[in-house]
Amino acid sequence: QKEVEQNSGPLSVPEGAIASLNCTYSDRGSQSFFWYRQYSGKSPELIMFIYSNGDKEDGRFTAQLNKASQYVSLLIRDSQPSDSATYLCAVRPGGGADGLTFGKGTHLIIQP
Amino acid sequence: DTEVTQTPKHLVMGMTNKKSLKCEQHMGHRAMYWYKQKAKKPPELMFVYSYEKLSINESVPSRFSPECPNSSLLNLHLHALQPEDSALYLCASSQAGAGNTIYFGEGSWLTVV
Repeated sequence: QKEVEQNSGPLSVPEGAIASLNCTYSDRGSQSFFWYRQYSGKSPELIMFIYSNGDKEDGRFTAQLNKASQYVSLLIRDSQPSDSATYLCAVRPGGGADGLTFGKGTHLIIQP
Repeated sequence: DTEVTQTPKHLVMGMTNKKSLKCEQHMGHRAMYWYKQKAKKPPELMFVYSYEKLSINESVPSRFSPECPNSSLLNLHLHALQPEDSALYLCASSQAGAGNTIYFGEGSWLTVV
C-alpha cells in the first residue's frame, strides 16, 4: 500500500512568519513530489515540484526533499492571509505506474 | 499556457440519467487523468490514459465509463449513479512519464439526486 502522510492540522501561523508543512511517503521507488494548494471549493493548484534531494526555491516557497528519510517539506516565507488553504502533498511513482497519490492535506491558517 | 478545461462546471442528475463530463487540453500532453474528490478528502485517482489508451483503472464501478476520443479530449460517461457518487470530478493532464508535472482543471461538481 503506497501511502503519503501529512498532519491534517489546522496549522496556525502568524502573518509574516514562516509556515512549515511536512509530508512522508512509503514508496521508496517514488520519483517526483508535488505540493498543491487547494482553496475551499476550488481545484488543486500546483505550487512546487521537486525531483532531486535538497532544496528548491521559488519566490516565497521552498520545497525540501530527503529521499533517504522519505520526507518532503514545504516552507512558506513571509506568510500572507491569502496563503490560508489546504496544502496537498502528492507523490508520483516510478516503475511504469502513473497518477498521483495524495496525502490528506494540511489545513493552514495565516492569522493577520 | 497550462490550461485544462472541464465542462460542465456543475451537473445535477437523477439516478436513472445518462450524462457525460468533458475535459480538453491543448498542451500536447499525452497522459490524461480522472480524479474524484469528496468534501474534506484528497483527490482519488480513477483512470489514467496514456497515448489515448486506458492504462490504469483503479477498480472504478462500471457506472463510470471513460473515453479518450483523441489526444486532447477526455470524457467520463455517467450512468445509473448513486447519491454517494456526488463529488468534485477533476480532470488532469501531463506529459507522459513519471518526471512530469500533472495539471488539474477546475473540476466538475456532480450532484446525484
